[in-house]
Amino acid sequence: AQSVSQHNHHVILSEAASLELGCNYSYGGTVNLFWYVQYPGQHLQLLLKYFSGDPLVKGIKGFEAEFIKSKFSFNLRKPSVQWSDTAEYFCAVTAVIGSYIPTFGRGTSLIVHP
Amino acid sequence: GAVVSQHPSRVICKSGTSVKIECRSLDFQATTMFWYRQFPKQSLMLMATSNEGSKATYEQGVEKDKFLINHASLTLSTLTVTSAHPEDSSFYICSARQPPPSTDTQYFGPGTRLTVL
Repeated sequence: AQSVSQHNHHVILSEAASLELGCNYSYGGTVNLFWYVQYPGQHLQLLLKYFSGDPLVKGIKGFEAEFIKSKFSFNLRKPSVQWSDTAEYFCAVTAVIGSYIPTFGRGTSLIVHP
Repeated sequence: GAVVSQHPSRVICKSGTSVKIECRSLDFQATTMFWYRQFPKQSLMLMATSNEGSKATYEQGVEKDKFLINHASLTLSTLTVTSAHPEDSSFYICSARQPPPSTDTQYFGPGTRLTVL
């Protein structure tokens, strides 16, 4: 079974700082990759996803992620964070086989100070 | 984007009672729905995969007789927590997915906060 590691559990930044959240997975086959965000008091919503093609994926709200197959990584980035980016961020992986069961990382709590 | 609703959003019950949580995909047909449990400051733990018209597939360690899942239609799945106990108190989240491989994108409900006294 695949597993997903998010190395940064808590990140605190000031507005305008750059952000990079790490995500690594363990699975040797083809995967679909996702980043979800959960704003305080709200439900999870999709930030971006990668299925195939250009490994640099752009999502909503200025976020992007890069799939590096050789490193089994799918790190999330944003060049300049805003206070409104304060949220929980979850990386998820689906193995492209069988029932496409998703696996989530434990999440990263991001706090952005104004 | 697609909308998934959950009902109720919050429920408080006595120990030993059963609680039913509904998950509906409002504007698309979901052949698969997932049920998760989220502990405070932790990730989502997948409990089971619910496929329309067939029995749910439970993850290891999840008691299928305690967490009954029914996926009777392409827009509705229910999770019943039977004989609930305080340790079942948690945040339960469902998601609905349009079928892969073309999409493989989950749309999440807002969650249900269950408190068992």
